[in-house]
Amino acid sequence: GAVVSQHPSWVICKSGTSVKIECRSLDFQATTMFWYRQFPKQSLMLMATSNEGSKATYEQGVEKDKFLINHASLTLSTLTVTSAHPEDSSFYICSARILAPGQGVLRAFFGQGTRLTVV
Amino acid sequence: QQQVKQSPQSLIVQKGGISIINCAYENTAFDYFPWYQQFPGKGPALLIAIRPDVSEKKEGRFTISFNKSAKQFSLHIMDSQPGDSATYFCAASTGSARQLTFGSGTQLTVLP
Repeated sequence: GAVVSQHPSWVICKSGTSVKIECRSLDFQATTMFWYRQFPKQSLMLMATSNEGSKATYEQGVEKDKFLINHASLTLSTLTVTSAHPEDSSFYICSARILAPGQGVLRAFFGQGTRLTVV
Repeated sequence: QQQVKQSPQSLIVQKGGISIINCAYENTAFDYFPWYQQFPGKGPALLIAIRPDVSEKKEGRFTISFNKSAKQFSLHIMDSQPGDSATYFCAASTGSARQLTFGSGTQLTVLP
């Protein structure tokens, strides 16, 4: 089945530095990818929709200058947390949806997630 | 109208028992209802999904029951096992939409 690979799986960074998280679709092309943030024991919160070759669409309340999204190719989207602070510590997950063969629906595949800790 | 309400927040079941998680939605445009399983430190993985043209779908020990008139759907895990201990999320979307609306999650613990 389709696989979405996310890297790194965990990262610790100092406050004020920037961190880049990569999300790759390994065996399919994804014109659209989604970035989620998840706090402990909570649901996934959609941060932004990443569109290949165009600007990302951010959800209300998400700072686009802080969470930079680049989707330069059909298989790679990146999320850069700029000038990270401890409150940015969270679990970040990317996702892509592709048309499930014979089912007529868009099936979502998720990356493994990235645990970001800002110290 | 975009919300999907999920209950219970947490559930403890004995090994071999039945785990039941419920979700309700408002948006009648939703036509795709997946359930995801998430283990700690991992991304969600699709467990089973249903479309509103059927009232039930079964895959192994996992069954989705769907009540279109009540706008509710539920996940039943038969013969629950300790390895099923995880967080379960229901979700919904329209077939053409790329965005999923998630429930708040249910932390399931299956006691050995």
